[in-house]
Amino acid sequence: GAGVSQSPRYKVAKRGQDVALRCDPISGHVSLFWYQQALGQGPEFLTYFQNEAQLDKSGLPSDRFFAERPEGSVSTLKIQRTQQEDSAVYLCASSSISSGGRNEQFFGPGTRLTVL
Amino acid sequence: AQSVTQLGSHVSVSEGALVLLRCNYSSSVPPYLFWYVQYPNQGLQLLLKYTSAATLVKGINGFEAEFKKSETSFHLTKPSAHMSDAAEYFCAVSDPSGGGADGLTFGKGTHLIIQP
Repeated sequence: GAGVSQSPRYKVAKRGQDVALRCDPISGHVSLFWYQQALGQGPEFLTYFQNEAQLDKSGLPSDRFFAERPEGSVSTLKIQRTQQEDSAVYLCASSSISSGGRNEQFFGPGTRLTVL
Repeated sequence: AQSVTQLGSHVSVSEGALVLLRCNYSSSVPPYLFWYVQYPNQGLQLLLKYTSAATLVKGINGFEAEFKKSETSFHLTKPSAHMSDAAEYFCAVSDPSGGGADGLTFGKGTHLIIQP
């Protein structure tokens, strides 16, 4: 079946613009995660959804970052008034059950955001 | 708080030689541990995971890792390197007591170079 998909794959924004990044998880996956991967670094956790509920947003770097998953499937990560330090690859991952941390997270290909 | 240290940002081995990628973790509770591989412009793919069963874990593509609690380590090995193993490798941990907010904590990654 289809894996996790993300769109767009590449996004160039001028500083101050708003952007929206989309994630389509694997069908039926309860858990959805967003990560930020800066150049040459490992992914860093941003936020976590269980179905439509955002249970953890402790990794969001500022109030310019906002994520939603209104129907418990597709998720959108929105960044308002983008800054150059927001340039990174944004990864989305989903997994099949809601607790324990032991289940494999399936990652999408990421969206590479460049802020000029 | 959890953390992951991967020793060596770059590791170079000859084709056919042993691959050893090092990972040490810090966690207040026995964690779940993962190794992911990332090929250029692709998402992360799970190689293997430790979830408190057998301490020697076998994964895909001939990789394996051993959980050593006394050394807080989870090093990744492969007996014979292949050119197709060239990629970025990430070690990650999650907290089993996370209760659902199971975002992974990643190391900074090790770039594996295979010399012909």
